[in-house]
Amino acid sequence: SQQGEEDPQALSIQEGENATMNCSYKTSINNLQWYRQNSGRGLVHLILIRSNEREKHSGRLRVTLDTSKKSSSLLITASRAADTASYFCATDEGAQKLVFGQGTRLTINP
Amino acid sequence: SAVISQKPSRDICQRGTSLTIQCQVDSQVTMMFWYRQQPGQSLTLIATANQGSEATYESGFVIDKFPISRPNLTFSTLTVSNMSPEDSSIYLCSVGQGGYNQPQHFGDGTRLSIL
Repeated sequence: SQQGEEDPQALSIQEGENATMNCSYKTSINNLQWYRQNSGRGLVHLILIRSNEREKHSGRLRVTLDTSKKSSSLLITASRAADTASYFCATDEGAQKLVFGQGTRLTINP
Repeated sequence: SAVISQKPSRDICQRGTSLTIQCQVDSQVTMMFWYRQQPGQSLTLIATANQGSEATYESGFVIDKFPISRPNLTFSTLTVSNMSPEDSSIYLCSVGQGGYNQPQHFGDGTRLSIL
């Protein structure tokens, strides 16, 4: 079942600006993961945050997790044209079975 | 991370036919999964491919429609049977090493169109 909801569904910003995407979920999780998908191709794993972590960084990416609100956010700083893609959050409830959010389509305008 | 090869990358099929999609990994992995992504939608888990035993299907997916094989720790197939236009989707395999808090890695997917 789909439990993740992402917000916004679409986001268009200028190159160099920051992009923030939000994800909400409904049940207890082991971890939450963010993925990128370019033009309907395969997914690229970006970052995994465990349920006992609150913030994680990887390069220009910053992910936060608030388990009390059952929500997460992905921040991409200093965006580039190459960041144009769809971004999905996915929750791992156990046995590594992922439940994906609906995704955010991000467009970076040069 | 593991390198995952999926074949075919795309296909156009006639309704009523079946297609088998292959997923090959360059190293042994504990977990293999199959997902479906319908046009403009998110990913939905079809099943967990279990090595040497029957796959574990999610609600709404049945073995007769989506038979899965996993003969070893590096290879799996998904067959989409008796296809209809509603089966037009991207089908993706993913792999994981099991245990808690491990990321999954995805193949490039198979884009399937049914006429």
